[in-house]
Amino acid sequence: GDSVTQMEGPVTLSEEAFLTINCTYTATGYPSLFWYVQYPGEGLQLLLKATKADDKGSNKGFEATYRKETTSFHLEKGSVQVSDSAVYFCALSLSNFGNEKLTFGTGTRLTIIP
Amino acid sequence: KAGVTQTPRYLIKTRGQQVTLSCSPISGHRSVSWYQQTPGQGLQFLFEYFSETQRNKGNFPGRFSGRQFSNSRSEMNVSTLELGDSALYLCASSLDIYGYTFGSGTRLTVV
Repeated sequence: GDSVTQMEGPVTLSEEAFLTINCTYTATGYPSLFWYVQYPGEGLQLLLKATKADDKGSNKGFEATYRKETTSFHLEKGSVQVSDSAVYFCALSLSNFGNEKLTFGTGTRLTIIP
Repeated sequence: KAGVTQTPRYLIKTRGQQVTLSCSPISGHRSVSWYQQTPGQGLQFLFEYFSETQRNKGNFPGRFSGRQFSNSRSEMNVSTLELGDSALYLCASSLDIYGYTFGSGTRLTVV
C-alpha cells in the first residue's frame, strides 16, 4: 500500500544550523506531497506542499522539492530558529476516487538550541 | 475566516462508555476527515465524509463511527471505550486533496 518513510528523530540542532529532514514515499499513483508541522498541544499546520514532480514547495524559509525519480520530498531550511522546534510530518495524498485521505510518516521531533 | 473547530478540547471517559466528538469545518468545505494520533501508532486515518456520505474508511473496528450533516459539520462516535482509545483525535476539512486544514484536536483520555 501507500506509505511514507521519514527520518527518525529526535533531531537536535543549534540555532542558525542547516536542517534536512528526509522523506521518501511509496505510492501506486501520482501523489501530492505535504509537510505538516505540529507545535505542542496543537493540531497540524500545513507547512508546504507540492502537487507534481519537480514542484518546489516553500514557506517560512522551509523548502522541499518533489523528486519523482527518487520518490523523495526532503524538507530543508538554511538557518533554523528556536521557534522552529516542533514535530514535522511528511504526508501524501492521492487523487483516486474513494481514496481521499492523507497518509503520514511517523513524524520527526526537532529541537533547536539557542 | 474561521478555521476548523473541534469540541470539546479535552475529554475524560471511563472504559465501556461511549463518546461523541464534534467538528465544524471551514465554511464551504464539504469534505471532513478524521485521524487518530497516538504515540505508538502515529497518525492514522479513521474516515472521510463528503456531502454526508462516507467515501473512505480506515482500518478501525466498528466501534468507531461517524456522520456528516447537511451543513458539513461532522461527528465521530466511539462506543465501548477501551484504554487504547486514548488519543488525540484530529479533524481536517478540505475543498480538494491539495489542501487539508486541521483543527486543534480533541484529547480523549480513557480511564
